Amino acid sequence: NAGVTQTPKFQVLKTGQSMTLQCAQDMNHNSMYWYRQDPGMGLRLIYYSASEGTTDKGEVPNGYNVSRLNKREFSLRLESAAPSQTSVYFCASSEAGWAERETQYFGPGTRLLVL
Amino acid sequence: AQTVTQSQPEMSVQEAETVTLSCTYDTSENNYYLFWYKQPPSRQMILVIRQEAYKQQNATENRFSVNFQKAAKSFSLKISDSQLGDTAMYFCAFMNRDRDDKIIFGKGTRLHILP
Repeated sequence: NAGVTQTPKFQVLKTGQSMTLQCAQDMNHNSMYWYRQDPGMGLRLIYYSASEGTTDKGEVPNGYNVSRLNKREFSLRLESAAPSQTSVYFCASSEAGWAERETQYFGPGTRLLVL
Repeated sequence: AQTVTQSQPEMSVQEAETVTLSCTYDTSENNYYLFWYKQPPSRQMILVIRQEAYKQQNATENRFSVNFQKAAKSFSLKISDSQLGDTAMYFCAFMNRDRDDKIIFGKGTRLHILP
């Protein structure tokens, strides 16, 4: 039981390049999330998916797109990377069942550097 | 809009001492959850403790306990008999229970446990 996995762990991009961050969970959770973590800013929600086939914008969605490929996988895409997107990205998931929906389980994070 | 404030950016205590991390939040809602997450140097986000707003009893998990003051909108974390492995960033978080799954995080407190 791996929980939430993310790839890659570290990536360096040049301004304007594109890339996709992958996230998968094996806990049969319905909800998945993408956060970014910047010094002094805490964690900020980029996008989330309450269930397979649905996605919604979070606090800081500009410059990102997401795909909920299936129940397990939720990817985050940067179409044209900018230095302001240098950050650590966390994927998380939570059970949609009402009693457990509020606990989020996090992946190990992806450190992205945009030059 | 809900906000979460952690007023202590950084703290240091000696091993075996007790330390309290502060958190205040602002909300007009009555039904919500509060969390403390730990982020060690490995960057993994780990749920430490969870408190349901409708419960008056303070949550405890081994050496970790909270002081939940609903009227004051305060949710502090107490770590007893601190250990070197407690060195980490600690995030306080809020989530409305009745609406969606989005969690709002504070900016974090960096805790150093000194040998």
